[in-house]
Amino acid sequence: DTGVSQNPRHKITKRGQNVTFRCDPISEHNRLYWYRQTLGQGPEFLTYFQNEAQLEKSRLLSDRFSAERPKGSFSTLEIQRTEQGDSAMYLCASSPLGDPGYTFGSGTRLTVV
Amino acid sequence: RKEVEQDPGPFNVPEGATVAFNCTYSNSASQSFFWYRQDCRKEPKLLMSVYSSGNEDGRFTAQLNRASQYISLLIRDSKLSDSATYLCVVNTNAGKSTFGDGTTLTVKP
Repeated sequence: DTGVSQNPRHKITKRGQNVTFRCDPISEHNRLYWYRQTLGQGPEFLTYFQNEAQLEKSRLLSDRFSAERPKGSFSTLEIQRTEQGDSAMYLCASSPLGDPGYTFGSGTRLTVV
Repeated sequence: RKEVEQDPGPFNVPEGATVAFNCTYSNSASQSFFWYRQDCRKEPKLLMSVYSSGNEDGRFTAQLNRASQYISLLIRDSKLSDSATYLCVVNTNAGKSTFGDGTTLTVKP
């Protein structure tokens, strides 16, 4: 296992299009997290899963955002009808149960034009 | 007011200097505390956990003051390779962690 894997690394899309990102966590990690980071800011929490259950979702997350972790392994984050303000680095992280320290993936950089 | 606030920086120090970063958090129910390091255009990486008794990892020392809701990171004998952004992180429950906006350190020869 080489760590948390995210795909794609970069995504350029036109405003109004839908995009989907994938995250493969470290295999033995029960918890999976999605964060968003813009330049000069710290990562901002979006949502997290324990196994396949989505346990918390940020109030900042609009209805255009949805995340799934169907079998408790990989996760997808979909953004519908993208807006320019969605341009950011989307970071996935995972952790074992009971350990709040994260291992992050390299992120997916989204540019909405 | 942000939940986690850090010194804005940037800090520019010579090699060998000692530098300290501060962080305050607003939620008194916070349970776990960390420092992460983030290199330019890279993902954050866990540097160390922070405990009330204080903890040390080589040249790095972290302190937590729960009464003042204050966290610090001290770096001794700075190296060029310490140049990065340091993120203060507070975890209120086992899920969501709240990150500060980071303090940028540049160590110069």
